[in-house]
Amino acid sequence: QVQLQESGPGLVKPSETLSLTCTVSGGSISSGEFFWSWFRQPPGKGLEWIGYISSSGSPYYNPSLSSRVTISPDTPKSQFSLKLNSVTAADTAVYYCARLRCTSGCSRGGAFDIWGQGTMVAVSS
Amino acid sequence: EIVLTQSPATLSLSPGERATLSCRASESVGSYFAWFQQKPGQAPRILIYDASIRATGIPARFSGSGSGTDFTLTISSLEPEDSAVYYCQQRNTGVTFGQGTRLDIK
Repeated sequence: QVQLQESGPGLVKPSETLSLTCTVSGGSISSGEFFWSWFRQPPGKGLEWIGYISSSGSPYYNPSLSSRVTISPDTPKSQFSLKLNSVTAADTAVYYCARLRCTSGCSRGGAFDIWGQGTMVAVSS
Repeated sequence: EIVLTQSPATLSLSPGERATLSCRASESVGSYFAWFQQKPGQAPRILIYDASIRATGIPARFSGSGSGTDFTLTISSLEPEDSAVYYCQQRNTGVTFGQGTRLDIK
């Protein structure tokens, strides 16, 4: 049974870098037709895709955030990380990691079928 | 960016009734489409993927239909635990979500 768990600081100062880690238990991030993803949800608002990495480590980012985001794997630890730089109050949100299971190839479609519980990150001085 | 517009914004129904939630895409997304349920304080849970395939463990009262730009999530006979916000999502070009439909079971 694959499970995901986010971890990292709950408070980040404006202009600094937000860093989170997602630990995957019960499976490897480097095998199978899966993408490993980050999402966020500001308080009281909807969901936003941040980006993902393929099982081979190729990253794909939301164009609206791509200049500030890095997602990278740590395969031996079965973890993947999110770094978002130059944060502002608008980056305050619950951050989720999730697994995308590819269905008919990996270029489109698929199912974000397993999610972490989420971690709240506030940006404030 | 593909914009997904959900309707209605809020839906209030009684147990046993049928719920119909809609989502329209600003351009065709084929069948690369999913529905999620989110309850307060919880992560989203996938209900439907590839437009009409029920995810593992999802009750049969949930069904999805549509292709191209117009999609529907139907809950055939509402249970009290179906109170939640429902989001549509596409992964034809990037990944985007609708703004959500809040379903209240009174």
